[in-house]
Amino acid sequence: GIQVEQSPPDLILQEGANSTLRCNFSDSVNNLQWFHQNPWGQLINLFYIPSGTKQNGRLSATTVATERYSLLYISSSQTTDSGVYFCAVERGNQFYFGTGTSLTVIP
Amino acid sequence: EPEVTQTPSHQVTQMGQEVILRCVPISNHLYFYWYRQILGQKVEFLVSFYNNEISEKSEIFDDQFSVERPDGSNFTLKIRSTKLEDSAMYFCASSEDRAQPQHFGDGTRLSIL
Repeated sequence: GIQVEQSPPDLILQEGANSTLRCNFSDSVNNLQWFHQNPWGQLINLFYIPSGTKQNGRLSATTVATERYSLLYISSSQTTDSGVYFCAVERGNQFYFGTGTSLTVIP
Repeated sequence: EPEVTQTPSHQVTQMGQEVILRCVPISNHLYFYWYRQILGQKVEFLVSFYNNEISEKSEIFDDQFSVERPDGSNFTLKIRSTKLEDSAMYFCASSEDRAQPQHFGDGTRLSIL
């Protein structure tokens, strides 16, 4: 199967700081999504981004499919951004989640 | 906004028993999925379902597992003869099309005693 690695594994930010989360995948993929898993365990869809750049408020994402990576940018972080961020890719109708980045935003 | 709903939110079952986890996908969606997440680990794909049949399954989805769409709204995951290691959060997801984002339910926490 395809390997999906995320970095950093853990991140602690002061409220208001910016951050970049990275997702590397080992082979070409058809689809890519970013999710936020909040402290209650809910998986919230952030971006569906097989290629290109998208922005939604303080969040934006860029996927460079030819180089097999995607980046998630969080600007002006808030305590409610805390949780685990997963990227997930699809290849051959199977879906693979990354190992996640655990983000803690402190006031 | 339409949501994927899952019931129950928490299921406690004795080892060896059968469990059925239920999901109601978003009404106009055609693709359905089940995932599991063992505590503290990443989310793992189990199975995808389209046009009333399994379209893909992972190595985890062995003969112990089955899925069904018994009517026009529900999508179920059955686990036969549960084992301790089946304890996990089980997520259902749906998408309008394969090239569309997947929307996840809030999950069912399954605890096997």
